[in-house]
Amino acid sequence: GAVVSQHPSRVICKSGTSVKIECRSLDFQATTMFWYRQFPKQSLMLMATSNEGSKATYEQGVEKDKFLINHASLTLSTLTVTSAHPEDSSFYICSASASLGEQYFGPGTRLTVT
Amino acid sequence: DAKTTQPPSMDCAEGRAANLPCNHSTISGNEYVYWYRQIHSQGPQYIIHGLKNNETNEMASLIITEDRKSSTLILPHATLRDTAVYYCIVRLGGGNQAGTALIFGKGTTLSVSS
Repeated sequence: GAVVSQHPSRVICKSGTSVKIECRSLDFQATTMFWYRQFPKQSLMLMATSNEGSKATYEQGVEKDKFLINHASLTLSTLTVTSAHPEDSSFYICSASASLGEQYFGPGTRLTVT
Repeated sequence: DAKTTQPPSMDCAEGRAANLPCNHSTISGNEYVYWYRQIHSQGPQYIIHGLKNNETNEMASLIITEDRKSSTLILPHATLRDTAVYYCIVRLGGGNQAGTALIFGKGTTLSVSS
């Protein structure tokens, strides 16, 4: 199957700082990428849908000014958590959609805000 | 997307077949059944999907009832590495769904023991 990478795999940051997470489709072009968040012992929750060259669509309850998404190319989307707080600590997962609609997931990024 | 119902947890002995059920009684005629799994602290992994007919690949078999209101994922010879949360998701398929996210329910936690 196709490969999606995320960087970094783990990050620890101080409260009030910003953190950028990268999501790359390594061997295919992805017009659409998705960002999910997963808290301990819970399922994945969709945060936003990102289309190359246009603004992301955020799910209800997700602050677009706090979670900045950029999808500048067909192989790269970034999620920036601005002014991070301890409650933003979570497992962030991206997925990329291939031409036939199949979705491939990245390995996830563990964010800890101290 | 139609909702699915899965048991919260199941146990299976190593080497035996694991049969994971999923109810999707409100599925519509053009919706597919997808199965993904998530091993602890990793991104979800695609397993298999189907529309009407039973499907088999190197990982698993998918049995869909004739009325399509339920399905069963079969791992023929479960190993310890199959311990994971298994998600059954119903969604439209094909390239025109590349922009549609997968919506995850709570899934079934499968525990394989020796």
